[in-house]
Amino acid sequence: RKEVEQDPGPFNVPEGATVAFNCTYSNSASQSFFWYRQDCRKEPKLLMSVYSSGNEDGRFTAQLNRASQYISLLIRDSKLSDSATYLCVVNIPPGGKLIFGQGTELSVKP
Amino acid sequence: NAGVTQTPKFQVLKTGQSMTLQCAQDMNHNSMYWYRQDPGMGLRLIYYSASEGTTDKGEVPNGYNVSRLNKREFSLRLESAAPSQTSVYFCASSGRTGGDTEAFFGQGTRLTVV
Repeated sequence: RKEVEQDPGPFNVPEGATVAFNCTYSNSASQSFFWYRQDCRKEPKLLMSVYSSGNEDGRFTAQLNRASQYISLLIRDSKLSDSATYLCVVNIPPGGKLIFGQGTELSVKP
Repeated sequence: NAGVTQTPKFQVLKTGQSMTLQCAQDMNHNSMYWYRQDPGMGLRLIYYSASEGTTDKGEVPNGYNVSRLNKREFSLRLESAAPSQTSVYFCASSGRTGGDTEAFFGQGTRLTVV
């Protein structure tokens, strides 16, 4: 079983739609969680960290459920520019290796 | 504002050849990582270094070796390249030992083994 799993999609949505991505992780001792964005096989860039209480950044909301070992990303009012691959990342102890999910591809259409 | 610099950006190798991918960061980060990315597979961790002087295996270490030369530099070596090692390789670094801060990535090395 992979340590971090995501639904690979693709998700095809119209502009203005709300879309949610989910990610599960297997190591209950993990402490740090992130969502990264990757465009066209360029280098990944941090979208947002995920905090225990949940956090929001504009149209983006991240949630963490430690009991179910599950994190999510919600994008509201999707824009064409949101089209990308979204990568869930978990810090796996000991030593802090950063493990990526396989990524979820999002395509926002006019 | 160099951040994480990887060299080379592109490389074609013949099966059996060796090469070293170089990575350097100028952010005084403790942790450094090497990943490979294949279509549909996401990024898979090859090796990582939580701090200067330490290295550990990741998810897919076979066929690779690494050296954390100093705090700035973390190199990845392919001793005898195989077609299965055709991939895009990314180096990354993050601030605190333990990977609990944002990781910054280099632009990637596109390697083809023929």
